[in-house]
Amino acid sequence: DGGITQSPKYLFRKEGQNVTLSCEQNLNHDAMYWYRQDPGQGLRLIYYSQIVNDFQKGDIAEGYSVSREKKESFPLTVTSAQKNPTAFYLCASSILGIAGPNEQFFGPGTRLTVL
Amino acid sequence: GENVEQHPSTLSVQEGDSAVIKCTYSDSASNYFPWYKQELGKRPQLIIDIRSNVGEKKDQRIAVTLNKTAKHFSLHITETQPEDSAVYFCAASNFGNEKLTFGTGTRLTIIP
Repeated sequence: DGGITQSPKYLFRKEGQNVTLSCEQNLNHDAMYWYRQDPGQGLRLIYYSQIVNDFQKGDIAEGYSVSREKKESFPLTVTSAQKNPTAFYLCASSILGIAGPNEQFFGPGTRLTVL
Repeated sequence: GENVEQHPSTLSVQEGDSAVIKCTYSDSASNYFPWYKQELGKRPQLIIDIRSNVGEKKDQRIAVTLNKTAKHFSLHITETQPEDSAVYFCAASNFGNEKLTFGTGTRLTIIP
């Protein structure tokens, strides 16, 4: 299960505070992704990046921000503008192939709770 | 954008019986359909995937079928075992767009 890590495992935040979730991979993957998982709603894409210094909004980007300064790292900031941030956050990475989409490898996740 | 629907949301089967989970997708350009298994408290892991140039793929007790005309695909698990108990997610994507759109998941319980 190694190769993609997330920290911390659990995170508590007060309302009105920004918080940053870490995601690192040593798989030499080009693409990285952030998902939010809520009970009964599956995985919803927040942001993704296919190359350093470039990223695209997913389906639920409002209230979140990302950066991709290094190939190995794709941190996610949950801002105070996110109205319901309590959730399980999953980071993933994949190679970019000429034959189309490829397997995404997931990190262990960060459970964020807003107090 | 793509929309993926998954049914049923929960499924209980006797150990040794088969389980089938079905998904439909909306974007006819989608051509990659993975299935992920997520055990309680763990990360999702790919168990099988299929591309639109084939209609069926098998890996031991697991198989996936794809009907491009009807825009649906299914996961089949035969001879189910207690360790098959988990949440299963289907997803869809298309060439040139690395985004995966996931279904809402099926909680599979194997009854000993």
